[in-house]
Amino acid sequence: QVQLHESGPGLVKPSETLSLTCAVSGVSFSTYYWSWIRQSPGKGLEWIAHIYYSGSTDYNPSLKSRVTISVDTSKNHISLAIRSVTAADTAVYYCTRLADGFDVWGQGAMVTVSS
Amino acid sequence: ALTQPASVSGSPGQSITISCTGTSTDVGGYNYVSWYQQHPGKAPKLIIYDVINRPSGVSHRFSGSKSGNTASLTISGLQADDEADYHCSSYTSISTHVFGGGTKVTVL
Repeated sequence: QVQLHESGPGLVKPSETLSLTCAVSGVSFSTYYWSWIRQSPGKGLEWIAHIYYSGSTDYNPSLKSRVTISVDTSKNHISLAIRSVTAADTAVYYCTRLADGFDVWGQGAMVTVSS
Repeated sequence: ALTQPASVSGSPGQSITISCTGTSTDVGGYNYVSWYQQHPGKAPKLIIYDVINRPSGVSHRFSGSKSGNTASLTISGLQADDEADYHCSSYTSISTHVFGGGTKVTVL
């Protein structure tokens, strides 16, 4: 059974860097794309970035200048870093697998940006 | 972002359709449209992928289609548990993904 589990700081100060980790279990890490998707309170979903197990990446153009996605295949972890955060980055952040659609989701990690 | 109606409602047993409008660089250009159901406080759940396909375990009451730059999700035989938010997504010409704003379905 494929499971994804996000972890993060919960609270980040404005202008700092938000860092999240997704632990993947129950599936071979290879042959899939792994994405981060977020949802601001009361809003729709926003795709942030994805990474192939080989390290190939694509980013949402509106976030590309501030975002880095990376993978640690030895630990089956996917990481996300968002620099220079503002209140607009307050959201639930989901880690997902892209197979036929985004077919597996983590439970989400709530991150609040506030001083 | 893709364009979805903010809300759609229907009575139990009825059918409703949710539209998802994009452009030729996303919805119209690829058969990679997917739909997600999200109940309050829960993670989204995939219900349709590649425009028309249902994952194993998803009810046959959910069906997808596409015409030009607009994809659609139809829920037939509406049930109380169908009350949720529904999100569409598409692959794009720049190798990214884009979502719609979401549609709140209310069962009257």
